Amino acid sequence: QMQLVQSGPELKKPGTSVTVSCKASDLNFTNSIFQWVRQARGQRLEWVGWIIVETGTTKSAEKFQERVTFTRDTSTSTAFMELKNLRSDDTAVYYCAAPSGKYYWGTFDMWGQGTMVTVSS
Amino acid sequence: SHELTQPPSVSVSPGQTARITCSGDALSKQYVYWYQQKPGQAPVLVIFKDSERPSGIPERFSGSGSGTEVTLSISEVQAEDEGDYYCHSSDISGTSRVFGGGTKLTVL
Repeated sequence: QMQLVQSGPELKKPGTSVTVSCKASDLNFTNSIFQWVRQARGQRLEWVGWIIVETGTTKSAEKFQERVTFTRDTSTSTAFMELKNLRSDDTAVYYCAAPSGKYYWGTFDMWGQGTMVTVSS
Repeated sequence: SHELTQPPSVSVSPGQTARITCSGDALSKQYVYWYQQKPGQAPVLVIFKDSERPSGIPERFSGSGSGTEVTLSISEVQAEDEGDYYCHSSDISGTSRVFGGGTKLTVL
């Protein structure tokens, strides 16, 4: 069954880093692209960035460029997002998403279950 | 930076048609995707590539538009259609994505 499974909730202190993982099952991982989206409680979806698995090419939204890193491990079909220098306003649910391959290539129709990241002293 | 603008809320009675707009400068050149999100759940794709419907999405959901404004229409609205709807598209270069601010659909 095609699915994305993310790592569990995280509680972090301001100034530290967090890494969220996204493991893909039954997906052509090497030919895929993973995007990361976050949502603070009661707020809109916010695009964080993406990674093209085959080349390792990444792009992030301008507001995250200095603090976010995207990586992938093809041996385990897992994508990662690291967010550094955490602040309280980084508290949010973080989602990964990828195309299933059933539709146009840029269609992110598969989503992980979300990972709650809480930043608090 | 590229932005997508949606109305904060839309309300309709059951059986009517709900229309949610999304406007942005790059929409004339980039595809738009629409997601439905219910509380505590991940977003669900309801329209891709402007007007195509994924398998499992009712025919009541349709996408249309031209130029810099697109519309998600939901005909014969049902109570189960309540939720937040987001448009999603690329910037003019196609190298990054953005979400609209979201529209809360209320079925009266």
